[in-house]
Amino acid sequence: AQKITQTQPGMFVQEKEAVTLDCTYDTSDPSYGLFWYKQPSSGEMIFLIYQGSYDQQNATEGRYSLNFQKARKSANLVISASQLGDSAMYFCAMREGKGNTDKLIFGTGTRLQVFP
Amino acid sequence: GAVVSQHPSRVICKSGTSVKIECRSLDFQATTMFWYRQFPKQSLMLMATSNEGSKATYEQGVEKDKFLINHASLTLSTLTVTSAHPEDSSFYICSARDPTSATQYFGPGTRLLVL
Repeated sequence: AQKITQTQPGMFVQEKEAVTLDCTYDTSDPSYGLFWYKQPSSGEMIFLIYQGSYDQQNATEGRYSLNFQKARKSANLVISASQLGDSAMYFCAMREGKGNTDKLIFGTGTRLQVFP
Repeated sequence: GAVVSQHPSRVICKSGTSVKIECRSLDFQATTMFWYRQFPKQSLMLMATSNEGSKATYEQGVEKDKFLINHASLTLSTLTVTSAHPEDSSFYICSARDPTSATQYFGPGTRLLVL
């Protein structure tokens, strides 16, 4: 079974509008972390936002916010006021457990295209 | 600025040669670093976890004798692709785990093309 599922292979959004990128996860571990990364065409992976499983509030970082619904096991990324530079691949990832063996499991990604 | 650097950014080599890729943590000491491979239009696949001062932990299906990992210091991990073949052509990207936040920061990646 997929641990991280991103059901949207591609999304379009008009500049200055908000967009939600979906991510669902599957784990039986009570301690886990959820990450979103942006990968532009250059290939680098840019860390955007992090949500811990015990965090009470949804994480926010500037124009990025994470809609964390624990019961539904979803961690959608919301980008407000989209900019042309937001066009990129976006990956959701999950870390299970604690300690130094906290490897990340990535979803298949969503390609976001922002148009004028 | 960059938190993790990777060198080289791009390499082309002949089949049968070995290629070494370096990953450096610039802002923090990383006891744990990770190596991923990404094929075109696909997601990142973890190859191995690099632990400072001990042997790397390889994911299932990854040949440890082909992909040699050395983590000799708290700021440097190297991946050596031995006897590279065209099917090893890929985008290799490393990450370093910040011990204070547990966030993984990624290097800019290395594009390997084996002819």
